[in-house]
Amino acid sequence: QSALTQPASVSGSPGQSITISCTGTSSDVGGYNYVSWYQQHPGKAPKLMIYDVSNRPSGVSNRFSGSKSGNTASLTISGLQAEDEADYYCSSYTSSSTQVFGGGTKLTVL
Amino acid sequence: EVQLVESGGGLVQPGRSLRLSCTASGFTFGDYAMSWVRQAPGKGLEWVGFIRSKAYGGTTEYAASVKGRFTISRDDSKSIAYLQMNSLKTEDTAVYYCTRAKQQLVPDAFDIWGQGTMVTVSS
Repeated sequence: QSALTQPASVSGSPGQSITISCTGTSSDVGGYNYVSWYQQHPGKAPKLMIYDVSNRPSGVSNRFSGSKSGNTASLTISGLQAEDEADYYCSSYTSSSTQVFGGGTKLTVL
Repeated sequence: EVQLVESGGGLVQPGRSLRLSCTASGFTFGDYAMSWVRQAPGKGLEWVGFIRSKAYGGTTEYAASVKGRFTISRDDSKSIAYLQMNSLKTEDTAVYYCTRAKQQLVPDAFDIWGQGTMVTVSS
């Protein structure tokens, strides 16, 4: 199972919105509404930000939103803040009953 | 407080075995599926495997890279999940995270993560 494709890096200024894409295939992203997004700060464990494409766990800011179109899922962060600077990973359930992660995207807040 | 604490990591030679433990607290461990995720130094996340709760058969799923070498098990009486790693390779070097799954049937999202334990495979 190949990793999902994410841009290596994205950047934005405080207050702006950014979107991170996550491209898979019809055997993973496109085939199921089981896409998740994780935020990871350096030296820390990942944190679940979005699950099942667009659902936010309790306690996650509503500045974070998720969507999906075909084989590509997206994470949008609005009103960018300094503390949003981190690595972001998407993941998806697959037709092989496994899970696959994206390669990760480094978000820089300028 | 809901918490997962991994232990058992360390330095091991290629071809040897190691068992990691994940001790859960703050929730009813037996009601949840659990999963292991690893992260090689400076690299991204890689899903390792998943174990369903006893109510769903306690069955397991594994990534192709570890299938046949790694085994996940659970002891609900102790609230512990295990990752038995055999025939270790240098490419298994990583921080291993224990996670709680939101879904019972499929390895979907993971809402609780441990702090991770480092496994180094080297001669």
